[in-house]
Amino acid sequence: AQKVTQAQTEISVVEKEDVTLDCVYETRDTTYYLFWYKQPPSGELVFLIRRNSFDEQNEISGRYSWNFQKSTSSFNFTITASQVVDSAVYFCALTFYNTDKLIFGTGTRLQVFP
Amino acid sequence: GAVVSQHPSWVICKSGTSVKIECRSLDFQATTMFWYRQFPKQSLMLMATSNEGSKATYEQGVEKDKFLINHASLTLSTLTVTSAHPEDSSFYICSARGRQGNYNEQFFGPGTRLTVL
Repeated sequence: AQKVTQAQTEISVVEKEDVTLDCVYETRDTTYYLFWYKQPPSGELVFLIRRNSFDEQNEISGRYSWNFQKSTSSFNFTITASQVVDSAVYFCALTFYNTDKLIFGTGTRLQVFP
Repeated sequence: GAVVSQHPSWVICKSGTSVKIECRSLDFQATTMFWYRQFPKQSLMLMATSNEGSKATYEQGVEKDKFLINHASLTLSTLTVTSAHPEDSSFYICSARGRQGNYNEQFFGPGTRLTVL
């Protein structure tokens, strides 16, 4: 089965807290790609990161960091020192080599309160 | 970066009418375009994939006669919801992949919110 699970449906934090959004995926393919997207209230999907299955190096971009662990099939996303503008729904997605079909998780709604 | 637009951004129509939604790639040629549907507080579900000049490929459970997709040029795809009913009310999002982009890189439009009364 090919599937993306985001077990956290909703998370609420207070500004400046760190928060980690979990993503667990299932696939038997050896070549695949993982994504994170942000969907603010306006609805437009904002691309955050793309990672291929051969690159397990963790990545940091400003306050955002990603932890890719093939051993646990997880691709978790951490926001450090969260801000109100981080409030959005965050989707993890999976796709494969030679296909365009994106499989989305159910999303995690993050609310950051001032 | 690559920009994808959708028009209209929102539409309200009466039950039984047809609604056309346009998806345009503004600064690149989109060889493949995708249409997604998102119900409130739910995830995005792929409806169909269209390649320029050929018929769209629909996902299982999506009625191709109800959701007509046309990808007549490298910068435009349209989704027509025919004989719309209230259960078709949803957020429709398109995405596009360019000829020269990374194979798995899709650029998303801002979405169209359809409300059928």
